[in-house]
Amino acid sequence: LAKTTQPISMDSYEGQEVNITCSHNNIATNDYITWYQQFPSQGPRFIIQGYKTKVTNEVASLFIPADRKSSTLSLPRVSLSDTAVYYCLVGLLNTDKLIFGTGTRLQVFP
Amino acid sequence: NAGVTQTPKFRVLKTGQSMTLLCAQDMNHEYMYWYRQDPGMGLRLIHYSVGEGTTAKGEVPDGYNVSRLKKQNFLLGLESAAPSQTSVYFCASSYSRGGAGGELFFGEGSRLTVL
Repeated sequence: LAKTTQPISMDSYEGQEVNITCSHNNIATNDYITWYQQFPSQGPRFIIQGYKTKVTNEVASLFIPADRKSSTLSLPRVSLSDTAVYYCLVGLLNTDKLIFGTGTRLQVFP
Repeated sequence: NAGVTQTPKFRVLKTGQSMTLLCAQDMNHEYMYWYRQDPGMGLRLIHYSVGEGTTAKGEVPDGYNVSRLKKQNFLLGLESAAPSQTSVYFCASSYSRGGAGGELFFGEGSRLTVL
């Protein structure tokens, strides 16, 4: 069962834009793509969700190409408080399981 | 509105002891999940439920049992705890599996240490 695939880690500096890409070749037709943020010793929390094209909210944007086999989370002008692990999560074909990938550990430097 | 509540938040067990973790949600969600997270690692799915009275195995089900007798509660049991089960356990619930509005709501976690 294919999981999502993301870079293990990324570094950035305050004020920069950060783009994290996730591949999900086996995404189910009706399922959305959801991104989560996790701080140490806390449960993951919802950031953004989308089905196709582009979605934007007050904290991030989500870009999804037409084939939906990947997605990119964009964090504009990151701050130190954005240092966290970011996970993308999709429903996979023929299963009710929701399996997380390894996530991307983002470190923001001053 | 409490969301997802896990009890207990901390527990220390000796090898061979049994215990039950309780997850309660007040959002009338159909789907509930138990994940474990080892230090520095990602979340791994233990068991899940798609509705009251149903349960199914996730990625790492061995050594655990679950029950969903009531829609709002999802129990995770360890019949004979082993040191390899030392981890932080997260419960999550969602309205749907992966469709619109199907984001997961997580509890604060239950930190379990098995000596």
